[in-house]
Amino acid sequence: GAGVSQSPSNKVTEKGKDVELRCDPISGHTALYWYRQSLGQGLEFLIYFQGNSAPDKSGLPSDRFSAERTGGSVSTLTIQRTQQEDSAVYLCASSLGGGPGETQYFGPGTRLLVL
Amino acid sequence: GENVEQHPSTLSVQEGDSAVIKCTYSDSASNYFPWYKQELGKGPQLIIDIRSNVGEKKDQRIAVTLNKTAKHFSLHITETQPEDSAVYFCAALRSNDYKLSFGAGTTVTVRA
Repeated sequence: GAGVSQSPSNKVTEKGKDVELRCDPISGHTALYWYRQSLGQGLEFLIYFQGNSAPDKSGLPSDRFSAERTGGSVSTLTIQRTQQEDSAVYLCASSLGGGPGETQYFGPGTRLLVL
Repeated sequence: GENVEQHPSTLSVQEGDSAVIKCTYSDSASNYFPWYKQELGKGPQLIIDIRSNVGEKKDQRIAVTLNKTAKHFSLHITETQPEDSAVYFCAALRSNDYKLSFGAGTTVTVRA
């Protein structure tokens, strides 16, 4: 079946603007994860959803970052008042049941560039 | 939290030779170790994984070994081909956790 999809694939924005990044998990997967991949920091965890709730938001770097998930499926990551250091690839992953130790499948990512 | 170190950062091999990437982890509670392959412009793709109840797992030309005592695990690619050229990431996941901790990645180049 279809894998994790993300949109847009690329986004260029100006410093100070808000951006929304979208993730469609694999059908039937109840757990969804956001990670950020940047040159200096590697792959970092941002937030985890089980269904529509987010029991772990520990990786969100500041209060400019927020995420929601509706209907137990699509998730949106919002970055307000973007800064140049937000430039990175934002990756979404999903897993079947959300239990600890489950295999996570990644989408292609959204490449964000803040000018 | 978990700290994963990965070596080498770059690896160049002749086509047909083997490639080995090594990772160490810090938290003895980690019990799941996936390996991802990332090609340019794409997301990480799971290629093989191992859980702490086994010491080795193979899938065609790819194998992973795990030494729980020493807290290290390795990826072995045999008979490398040009399409194996990519960035490879190791990761670790603690038994009671959801967030993967990644190594810094190894850029593998297979020379034809």
